[in-house]
Amino acid sequence: DAKTTQPNSMESNEEEPVHLPCNHSTISGTDYIHWYRQLPSQGPEYVIHGLTSNVNNRMASLAIAEDRKSSTLILHRATLRDAAVYYCILRDLDGFGNEKLTFGTGTRLTIIP
Amino acid sequence: SQTIHQWPATLVQPVGSPLSLECTVEGTSNPNLYWYRQAAGRGLQLLFYSIGIDQISSEVPQNLSASRPQDRQFILSSKKLLLSDSGFYLCAWSVRGTGGPLPGELFFGEGSRLTVL
Repeated sequence: DAKTTQPNSMESNEEEPVHLPCNHSTISGTDYIHWYRQLPSQGPEYVIHGLTSNVNNRMASLAIAEDRKSSTLILHRATLRDAAVYYCILRDLDGFGNEKLTFGTGTRLTIIP
Repeated sequence: SQTIHQWPATLVQPVGSPLSLECTVEGTSNPNLYWYRQAAGRGLQLLFYSIGIDQISSEVPQNLSASRPQDRQFILSSKKLLLSDSGFYLCAWSVRGTGGPLPGELFFGEGSRLTVL
């Protein structure tokens, strides 16, 4: 299984951009890069995903390195509600082509007012 | 619209007692179903995933089992709970994958917090 590596924690000031890094040096050509976030006492929620090109949606942007061995989730203007654990995940397939997403420990993002 | 429900939300059980957590999905057919566990201060661990009725894969050896008696029902069970089974259990579903380049966004339930004493 391809693995991801993220910093355990990060801090950012409110209303400033946040760049959350993720390394996935063993990524395969067909692995999508997913980002989820988990607020306290809740289940994770989907943030964004991508394959090769940079992606933007209403929540965030995803910048993917040209060699795909790393990616960065960008929150353009952090708010206190963005404080959460952010997970970078590679979609995995079992031997039968079935999907599964394996979460690591993620990055705990703290927003400073 | 699709919804996912799991219950009970909170459970306190003595060591050695049985466990049954239930999860149901509405508004979709043939979903992939998943059980995750999150121990205190730790990441999410995939316990089981299922691509269909009676088709369940176990990710880690453990004291737990899973069953899928109906297409949209996923049950997590234990015959005898251990202290180490305490944690936050999350059920999730995704659209059935084809093995092709479909990302398979996961949708999570509200979670069940289990405390084993």
